[in-house]
Amino acid sequence: GNSVTQMEGPVTLSEEAFLTINCTYTATGYPSLFWYVQYPGEGLQLLLKATKADDKGSNKGFEATYRKETTSFHLEKGSVQVSDSAVYFCALSELSNTGKLIFGQGTTLQVKP
Amino acid sequence: ETGVTQTPRHLVMGMTNKKSLKCEQHLGHNAMYWYKQSAKKPLELMFVYNFKEQTENNSVPSRFSPECPNSSHLFLHLHTLQPEDSALYLCASSPKGVVGIGSPLHFGNGTRLTVT
Repeated sequence: GNSVTQMEGPVTLSEEAFLTINCTYTATGYPSLFWYVQYPGEGLQLLLKATKADDKGSNKGFEATYRKETTSFHLEKGSVQVSDSAVYFCALSELSNTGKLIFGQGTTLQVKP
Repeated sequence: ETGVTQTPRHLVMGMTNKKSLKCEQHLGHNAMYWYKQSAKKPLELMFVYNFKEQTENNSVPSRFSPECPNSSHLFLHLHTLQPEDSALYLCASSPKGVVGIGSPLHFGNGTRLTVT
């Protein structure tokens, strides 16, 4: 079945450090890929998305490129801030009419001043 | 204001209680979802409703009973829960049932449920 695997956290970085959170997926066909972010005490918010191979999603300084050959969608940011501390979820959409998203287990990012 | 409002934010209930979680979306969406978020586990899809019709029940125990009276409101009725049901329950909506292109999920802030 379809699945998403993320690197285990927590990831702890100093402010202005470079961030990479790895995400790989297993799916039939060509799903759309998403990164969601969850700040403390809140629900998930869409951070960025990519709908086909080689697409690059970007938002708020974060980027991720849909790599079909490596089935990956790694999240990157050149310079993190304390306010980026949150849980990040990689997800794929199944190609069906039910609107089903498959999520990874989430990666906690802690950014220290 | 997320556009998806969940109440209550926190709920503590005994195993013999009956309670309900409420979700309301103000986005004009036609699909609504219940997810369960437990510590150190991936989000688990529980139920999907499209245009008020249930289109997915992801093998959820019958002690969880969803209700979708219209496209804007979704309930999760709870009875005789177990301590392992303690989790954050998230409601989400999307414009229609297909999220593949341009219609991501919009989440509420969740209800933190503790079963004692």
